[in-house]
Amino acid sequence: QSALTQPASVSASPGQSITISCTGTSSDVGAYNYVSWYQQHPGKAPKLMIYDVTNRPSGVSNRFSGSKSGNTASLTISGLQADDEADYYCSSYIRSSTPVVFGGGTKLTVL
Amino acid sequence: QVQLVESGGGVVQPGGSLRLSCAASGFTFSSYGIHWVRQAPGKGLEWVAFIRYDGGNKYYADSVKGRFTISRDNSKNTVFLQMNSLRTDDSAVYYCAKDPAVVVITPPDYWGQGTLVTVSS
Repeated sequence: QSALTQPASVSASPGQSITISCTGTSSDVGAYNYVSWYQQHPGKAPKLMIYDVTNRPSGVSNRFSGSKSGNTASLTISGLQADDEADYYCSSYIRSSTPVVFGGGTKLTVL
Repeated sequence: QVQLVESGGGVVQPGGSLRLSCAASGFTFSSYGIHWVRQAPGKGLEWVAFIRYDGGNKYYADSVKGRFTISRDNSKNTVFLQMNSLRTDDSAVYYCAKDPAVVVITPPDYWGQGTLVTVSS
């Protein structure tokens, strides 16, 4: 299956907000509300930040929010902090013999 | 708390085999599916395989189908990934990760720390 499409990189200054897009198709992102977002710092395992498009796991800052419109899901981080600098990946269920697909990842740089 | 601990990684020659293990704790293991996801050095995440809570359904990425086999032992709270006919492009950190859903398959929630597999002559 094809990976979901994310921008390779985004950057912003501390305190600002950014949005990372994740574009799929009508077979994955557009069809189901099973979109998750992960944060990964270098050398670490991915950490779940958003699940089911909009939900935050317990312990995740409310500066992180998720949304979806059509075939595109988005992750918004407000009030950027230095520790937000990391790679971010989206993932979706797809009705297929290969039922989970990831985006290519977006490197967030906090200037 | 949920814990997933992978083991079994190492260096293997092309064409060789390796068996990864994922030991789980902190949740009712027999009620949840488990994913394997890999990440080649400097690359993104790639979904590899999934096994349903009871081992009844298994799914594989096209890139590993026919070479990798996922299995589980619910009596030992452990999932395995048998990797045969390994290729250099299988080199990656392999993560096991828990599916948060019971009935459907969804992207994972909790992840292990990963185990490194290097395929090289």
